[in-house]
Amino acid sequence: AQSVTQPDIHITVSEGASLELRCNYSYGATPYLFWYVQSPGQGLQLLLKYFSGDTLVQGIKGFEAEFKRSQSSFNLRKPSVHWSDAAEYFCAVGGLGGSQGNLIFGKGTKLSVKP
Amino acid sequence: KAGVTQTPRYLIKTRGQQVTLSCSPISGHRSVSWYQQTPGQGLQFLFEYFSETQRNKGNFPGRFSGRQFSNSRSEMNVSTLELGDSALYLCASSLDLPGQGMNEQYFGPGTRLTVT
Repeated sequence: AQSVTQPDIHITVSEGASLELRCNYSYGATPYLFWYVQSPGQGLQLLLKYFSGDTLVQGIKGFEAEFKRSQSSFNLRKPSVHWSDAAEYFCAVGGLGGSQGNLIFGKGTKLSVKP
Repeated sequence: KAGVTQTPRYLIKTRGQQVTLSCSPISGHRSVSWYQQTPGQGLQFLFEYFSETQRNKGNFPGRFSGRQFSNSRSEMNVSTLELGDSALYLCASSLDLPGQGMNEQYFGPGTRLTVT
């Protein structure tokens, strides 16, 4: 069965430090991969997506992610974290069975930022 | 362009009641999906609608149902509410044009349902 694993439940980084959030997926074919961010009490905002092509994708708010097929990973990175980045981050796999919907999400990683 | 809107934003219901949640997708978007988010189970797919037809369904009991109208707006209904149905219900829409492959989903702010 398809699954997404985010091994880190909670990460705390200092403002200005670099960030890497891990995501591993289990899927038979080349997946469609997404990173979403959720602020408290809000819906999900799309940060970036990977469908095909260049394995390093750029997103909004200075985030980037790298697709590594050999490691079944799609880790999210940011070189310098800002206090406003504190939120919960979700990795997701989509396109299952040719469907536009039906995203499978990881359990999320909550990011705290120290001043 | 307006984003995905969901109404109501907050709802309190009693066990055994039923509830209907509404979702208006981004203009021009044809596919609408619903998700349930709880602290214990995380984000789980409920169902997806396209052209007024349910295209996919997650692993939820039959008490959860939905529909889509000709203008792509969607509703979901939960009958005989249980305490465990307390959750944030998120709606997402995507463009889903023929032959265009995968499109990203855009999420609404959600409806917070509390069952007492």
